[in-house]
Amino acid sequence: TQLLEQSPQFLSIQEGENLTVYCNSSSVFSSLQWYRQEPGEGPVLLVTVVTGGEVKKLKRLTFQFGDARKDSSLHITAAQPGDTGLYLCAVKATGYSTLTFGKGTMLLVSP
Amino acid sequence: ETGVTQTPRHLVMGMTNKKSLKCEQHLGHNAMYWYKQSAKKPLELMFVYNFKEQTENNSVPSRFSPECPNSSHLFLHLHTLQPEDSALYLCASSHTTGATDTQYFGPGTRLTVL
Repeated sequence: TQLLEQSPQFLSIQEGENLTVYCNSSSVFSSLQWYRQEPGEGPVLLVTVVTGGEVKKLKRLTFQFGDARKDSSLHITAAQPGDTGLYLCAVKATGYSTLTFGKGTMLLVSP
Repeated sequence: ETGVTQTPRHLVMGMTNKKSLKCEQHLGHNAMYWYKQSAKKPLELMFVYNFKEQTENNSVPSRFSPECPNSSHLFLHLHTLQPEDSALYLCASSHTTGATDTQYFGPGTRLTVL
């Protein structure tokens, strides 16, 4: 059983469409991070959410942390080919530095 | 460019070979990490070094041997690997191992074991 379940595993859409990907767990976390990993590169941190119910926006990306701090969603508006990549969520156990990752959602945005 | 570089970017080796992966960070960080990324598996933490001292070994087989000569450099020495060790090996660094410190990843070394 994975600590973090990400869905969907793979998503292929056309440019201009909206989408939402999810990161779920049965555990409660003090914070949750979203990363994007482009082909041939390492993951790059997009955002950290720390408060239950928190919403953060990064241009066309909207991140939400669940009220109970067990889950999170990432919504992309008007997706572009440059959004293509593997979207990973990750958490740290309280007081620890080490990250635990989900398997990720592979997003392909076609022109 | 995240300030973390890894060499080589691609490596093909036989099961009897000995090779080393290198990671260098130019961010002035004190903590460095090795991760393994396999197909259809989550990113797995392998080793953590803080101020050159190994603070975590996540039950990694002894055929993987890390070395951290200083806070800027991290090596992963490989010997008698198995085909299932083929994966993307990622290095990361952070200011310290504090819970709020952000990790910055290198581009990875794509390893294929024949």
